Amino acid sequence: SAVISQKPSRDICQRGTSLTIQCQVDSQVTMMFWYRQQPGQSLTLIATANQGSEATYESGFVIDKFPISRPNLTFSTLTVSNLSPEDSSIYLCSVGGQGPGQPQHFGDGTRLSIL
Amino acid sequence: DAKTTQPPSMDCAEGRAANLPCNHSTISGNEYVYWYRQIHSQGPQYIIHGLKNNETNEMASLIITEDRKSSTLILPHATLRDTAVYYCIVREYSGYALNFGKGTSLLVTP
Repeated sequence: SAVISQKPSRDICQRGTSLTIQCQVDSQVTMMFWYRQQPGQSLTLIATANQGSEATYESGFVIDKFPISRPNLTFSTLTVSNLSPEDSSIYLCSVGGQGPGQPQHFGDGTRLSIL
Repeated sequence: DAKTTQPPSMDCAEGRAANLPCNHSTISGNEYVYWYRQIHSQGPQYIIHGLKNNETNEMASLIITEDRKSSTLILPHATLRDTAVYYCIVREYSGYALNFGKGTSLLVTP
């Protein structure tokens, strides 16, 4: 399975600032996914990022708040903008899962805390 | 994708088999059953998946009932490191995203 690296692993940010999270994969993948895991909760999909096209956002998530880039087949970034305490979560990148039965694989996430 | 139901928590003694049930009574013919687990402070780890037949790999076994309305993940010899939240997810074969429910929190005790 693909090796997925996320940076930073954790950060503490001030309200009103932004944080960009990087996701690097050791092989080319068509689809990458960004999830959020709020404290004590399960994972929620934010968006699907395909190389060469605009990201597709799930209900409740908007591009202005969570802009995503996908410049090539091994890299993606998620920016969390205008940070507020409600954005304190773990943000996870995953890849794969395309095609019949293929599983997704996850990075270890970015733990974000807002002061 | 079909909804799944799992018990919120389970205990298992170290060295014994852990049997984690999942109900997916509305599953359709082209939907797979996936199991992931999440150990504290880590990303979800893929365990196993299946469509109709029982499956086994180095981590676990997946038993799917004949009507496919439920399944059981079996960890044959649970260790303390198997303590985690286990998620049962049903996804269409051509689908992409995974819809995570609340999962089962498994505690393996000495």
